Amino acid sequence: GNSVTQMEGPVTLSEEAFLTINCTYTATGYPSLFWYVQYPGEGLQLLLKATKADDKGSNKGFEATYRKETTSFHLEKGSVQVSDSAVYFCALSFSGYALNFGKGTSLLVTP
Amino acid sequence: DAGVIQSPRHEVTEMGQEVTLRCKPISGHDYLFWYRQTMMRGLELLIYFNNNVPIDDSGMPEDRFSAKMPNASFSTLKIQPSEPRDSAVYFCASSTFRDTEAFFGQGTRLTVV
Repeated sequence: GNSVTQMEGPVTLSEEAFLTINCTYTATGYPSLFWYVQYPGEGLQLLLKATKADDKGSNKGFEATYRKETTSFHLEKGSVQVSDSAVYFCALSFSGYALNFGKGTSLLVTP
Repeated sequence: DAGVIQSPRHEVTEMGQEVTLRCKPISGHDYLFWYRQTMMRGLELLIYFNNNVPIDDSGMPEDRFSAKMPNASFSTLKIQPSEPRDSAVYFCASSTFRDTEAFFGQGTRLTVV
């Protein structure tokens, strides 16, 4: 079946450090890929998405590129801020089906 | 649009009581999803609907759980009787067929004591 694997957390970084959160997927066919972010006490918010191979999704300084050859969608940001502290979820879906989520990666950014 | 609206935001109930969670999806969205989030199990899909019809309820943990969608603008998730292990945050989300990303509500934090 379809599944998403993302790196275990928690990840702790100093402000202005470079961030990478790894995500790989298993799927039959070519799904759409997403990163969602969840701030404490809130619901999940879409951070970025990519719908086909080699697409790059970007938002708020975060980027991720859909790599078909490595079945990956790693999240990156060049300089994190304290306000980026949250839980990040990688997910995939096909039209007409529910999102499959990874287990989430907790990020803590310290001043 | 106001987004996906869930109520209540918090619910505390005693074991054995019936609990009903409510969701209003984004207008025009024809898919509705119910997820449960716990520390141990992460995000789990419970059930989802397309055009008010349940498509996949394989994630509903037991017969104590039931979900309905009587019309395009309202859905309920009911637990009867509730148990302490049902304590979790329950999220509702909606989407369209073309735009596969789902938009989430703020969630209902359920505590069963």
